[in-house]
Amino acid sequence: EDQVTQSPEALRLQEGESSSLNCSYTVSGLRGLFWYRQDPGKGPEFLFTLYSAGEEKEKERLKATLTKKESFLHITAPKPEDSATYLCAVQTLTGQNFVFGPGTRLSVLP
Amino acid sequence: GAVVSQHPSRVICKSGTSVKIECRSLDFQATTMFWYRQFPKQSLMLMATSNEGSKATYEQGVEKDKFLINHASLTLSTLTVTSAHPEDSSFYICSALRTSGGASQETQYFGPGTRLLVL
Repeated sequence: EDQVTQSPEALRLQEGESSSLNCSYTVSGLRGLFWYRQDPGKGPEFLFTLYSAGEEKEKERLKATLTKKESFLHITAPKPEDSATYLCAVQTLTGQNFVFGPGTRLSVLP
Repeated sequence: GAVVSQHPSRVICKSGTSVKIECRSLDFQATTMFWYRQFPKQSLMLMATSNEGSKATYEQGVEKDKFLINHASLTLSTLTVTSAHPEDSSFYICSALRTSGGASQETQYFGPGTRLLVL
């Protein structure tokens, strides 16, 4: 069964304290791995897509990396406005649906 | 960018009435749209996959007669909650699938969500 897990469930950082969020997956075949950011009461906002192991993508303070078993979302020198829930999702080769992880709730304190 | 809108953003209705939620892809065409439900502090729960011009595919446990989905055009899908009850109160989010790279790459873009409260 295709499965996506994320850790930690919640993370508190001080402003400027860099860290990483993990997304681990077990799928029959990976078509793409997606990262989204979701603010309370809003729909998820697309951040990155990664397609193959070794691929990296960056956007401002965020950098996403991918291996054959997991993806990391690195946050460098975070600011309070980076506080949100970060969702990871995988699209398998066989299915049209996307399998979402439970998310990591990030809080960045000033 | 890829923009998806939802309307209404918030709705309050009486028990037993029906509510329609619209999902539109504003700057791209979407053959496929998805409908999700989200409870507080929980992840997205896929309800159904909506394909333009055909019947929606519902996830196990989702009543198709209660949650009616219509995808009549490449930019519009609607979700109608029929005979709504308080337990249907939730945050409903749609997404539209955008293809690129010769259809080899697909990305879901989400709407802002609709908060439904059934009294």
